[in-house]
Amino acid sequence: GQQLNQSPQSMFIQEGEDVSMNCTSSSIFNTWLWYKQDPGEGPVLLIALYKAGELTSNGRLTAQFGITRKDSFLNISASIPSDVGIYFCAGRPDAYSGAGSYQLTFGKGTKLSVIP
Amino acid sequence: GAGVSQSPRYKVAKRGQDVALRCDPISGHVSLFWYQQALGQGPEFLTYFQNEAQLDKSGLPSDRFFAERPEGSVSTLKIQRTQQEDSAVYLCASSLAGVNYGYTFGSGTRLTVV
Repeated sequence: GQQLNQSPQSMFIQEGEDVSMNCTSSSIFNTWLWYKQDPGEGPVLLIALYKAGELTSNGRLTAQFGITRKDSFLNISASIPSDVGIYFCAGRPDAYSGAGSYQLTFGKGTKLSVIP
Repeated sequence: GAGVSQSPRYKVAKRGQDVALRCDPISGHVSLFWYQQALGQGPEFLTYFQNEAQLDKSGLPSDRFFAERPEGSVSTLKIQRTQQEDSAVYLCASSLAGVNYGYTFGSGTRLTVV
């Protein structure tokens, strides 16, 4: 089945530093999503990407959908303590469908620790 | 409600016991999903409902797992004769059908089988 390789597995950074993490797939996805999960909570959507090459920002977060449709990256600028958590990429093969599965395939996550 | 609500938040079951996990999706969301998240892993798809119809159950790991959504709103995930490998967080998510954005997850039920 499809697999997502997410790296790095964990990161320790100083407050104020920029962060970059990425995700690669063995097959093509038509939608890429980035989620953040805090302890004891469900994943929360940060950014959604729908077109190859698309670059989207949400505040200090920027994500890109790779041209090959097999990869995506997420950047966080000027990190703050509340950025701590686990970040997941997720891919979906169908960009838009009125019927059928919206099944997501998730990476294993990047655990981010921010040192004040 | 304002978000996806799951209950119980924590469940400890003895091996062999049956369990039932409940999900209340966001009002008006026709699509509902169940995911299983093992410790240190990303969520993995279990099953998908559109209204009351279970359109995809390809992720259910065995016939001990059963999900239903009889009236197209609340859903229950049932696990029969629980095993230790069933220990995980079970996440429910819902979305508006036919809309292309990531869906909203609940906080999950942490199941521990002892």
